Amino acid sequence: EAQVTQNPRYLITVTGKKLTVTCSQNMNHEYMSWYRQDPGLGLRQIYYSMNVEVTDKGDVPEGYKVSRKEKRNFPLILESPSPNQTSLYFCASNSRDSNQPQHFGDGTRLSIL
Amino acid sequence: SQQGEEDPQALSIQEGENATMNCSYKTSINNLQWYRQNSGRGLVHLILIRSNEREKHSGRLRVTLDTSKKSSSLLITASRAADTASYFCATNHIFSRQLTFGSGTQLTVLP
Repeated sequence: EAQVTQNPRYLITVTGKKLTVTCSQNMNHEYMSWYRQDPGLGLRQIYYSMNVEVTDKGDVPEGYKVSRKEKRNFPLILESPSPNQTSLYFCASNSRDSNQPQHFGDGTRLSIL
Repeated sequence: SQQGEEDPQALSIQEGENATMNCSYKTSINNLQWYRQNSGRGLVHLILIRSNEREKHSGRLRVTLDTSKKSSSLLITASRAADTASYFCATNHIFSRQLTFGSGTQLTVLP
């Protein structure tokens, strides 16, 4: 089954404790991205990757890092999380064809205390 | 960022009625996409309309696109309680691969 898998689904942690949210897709997609969703603001793009070893900042990259060492994986790293990064995070992937939709993971709800 | 904006922010209708949601955007686009999100879940793609298309249908969904007005509408006909969800439009910009999402319309269909 074609899917985007994020882990963990839920995490409560404390300020400053490094964390990584993993994302994996099994569709051989070139393009992957991370979004955060906050009430009233819709989805905002954090980082995206056009292919292996190619990453670019989205609209709200501050406080986040990503890496794309393999085509299927695109982890999101919070080196020193702060309470304003409490949010619902989504990973998405799609093919090289921009007229194909993005496929989304089920989301990761992060709470930074 | 050049964000799409949905209108209305919230819509409540009776089962069987039609629901119409609108989306406006600011820049030239390659395509516009509509997604659905059940509470706290991931987004599910509904329909994509390219910039050279004016109308598209998929089951009970009808999407229109007016590039001169930079606007789109999503019509759900004969709504069901199971259609209750948030609906987002997303624009794929002509010079980048990025998708820019609006803040969504919360649709509630009452049984």
